[in-house]
Formats: sequence, C-alpha cells, structure tokens
Amino acid sequence: EVQLVESGGGLVQPGRSMKLSCAASGFTFNNYDMAWVCQAPKKGLEWVATISYDGSSTYYRDSVKGRFTISRDNAKSTLYLQMDSLRSEDTATYYCASLRRGFDYWGQGVMVTVSS
Amino acid sequence: DIVLTQSPALAVSLGQRATISCRASQSVSISRYNLMHWYQQKPGQQPKLLIYRASNLASGIPARFSGSGSGTDFTLTINPVQADDIATYYCQQSRESPPTFGAGTKLELK
Repeated sequence: EVQLVESGGGLVQPGRSMKLSCAASGFTFNNYDMAWVCQAPKKGLEWVATISYDGSSTYYRDSVKGRFTISRDNAKSTLYLQMDSLRSEDTATYYCASLRRGFDYWGQGVMVTVSS
Repeated sequence: DIVLTQSPALAVSLGQRATISCRASQSVSISRYNLMHWYQQKPGQQPKLLIYRASNLASGIPARFSGSGSGTDFTLTINPVQADDIATYYCQQSRESPPTFGAGTKLELK
C-alpha cells in the first residue's frame, strides 16, 4: 500500500523558517518525480514545487522561488520542503504527492500557519 | 500560465448523471496525449486521482467515473451518482509548467 506521511507543520512567525518532511513507502520512491501542492483555507489547490526522481532538477512556482527549497533523500525515501522567509500568504495545508500519471498519490497533508 | 475554468457548483439527484466541465485557456493536448487529469476531494481529506490523461481511470476508481475531451474542453462524468460521490472535483493540466488546477466544482445533492 502506498503511503505518504507529512510532518513538520505548525505555527510560525512571519519571516521565520520551517521544514516539512514526507516519508514515502509502498512504492519505489527513487523512480518517481515528487511534488508539493498547497491549499489555503477554504481555497483550491496550488502547485508549489517539483523535484525529479534523482533530485537533479527542481521547479518552483514564482511566488516561492528563492524562498522555498525542495529536496529528497532517496536512501531514506523522504521528500523535504525547506520554507524560508515565510509570509502570511503561505498559510495553507501542504501535501506531498507522487508524479507519474498526474499527481498519483497524496499524503494526508500538514498545516502551516504563518502568523505573529 | 494555463487557466482552467470550472463551474463552481453542480446539483444532482442520487442515481442521475453528473457532468462536470473544465475549459483550458489554451490546448493541453500534445499529439495523442490529452494532459488533463481529474481529482476528487472530500472535506478534511487529501485529493484523490480519478482520471489521468483525460480518459484513463486511475487504479481502484469505480467505473461509474469517466472522462473525455481534448484540446481545451474536457468533461468528467459520474453515472450514476452515489451519496459517496458528494465532494469537490478539480481538473489539472500538465501540458505546461507550472501545472495548474481549476478552482473546483462542488457536487451537491438536489
């Protein structure tokens, strides 16, 4: 059974940093591109970042470029999102997702609240 | 960015057909591949892939869900609608970066 389990969310002040993790199991992690997708409260889905299966390529939405860093550790089957210089508009539930035929599998999500 | 337009809501009766549409601001098809995908999201849950590349049923998804379309116009059909299908449905394109989602169509009971 495919499982993606996010962790690391919570309340953080504007301008501070937070690192999310996503532990994968039930599939060959290092064969899949992976992504982060967010959803602000009561809003729709928004792609955040993608990383290639081997970590050699990364892609970001414009609003997070230079502030967020996606990375992965294939030996640990874990995906990360380092979020720096956080803003109130980054408040959302963050999902990790595998990428093959669309976003195939999704984690349960982790809430990040940016507020003073 | 490619903008995907969905109607905000659709009211249906149980046992009837539901047709949810998604229109793209430009073609999301390359050759024979229609790079549009559909997701279901229930309140408090993560999204779930229903249909990939416009018309392919994802693993474990019931056959009452189907997808069609090409170019800029795509449709998700649920027939017959069951109570468990009440949710919000999103389309998503992977033709161009950034991948974009529609705003979602909330399926409601009539």
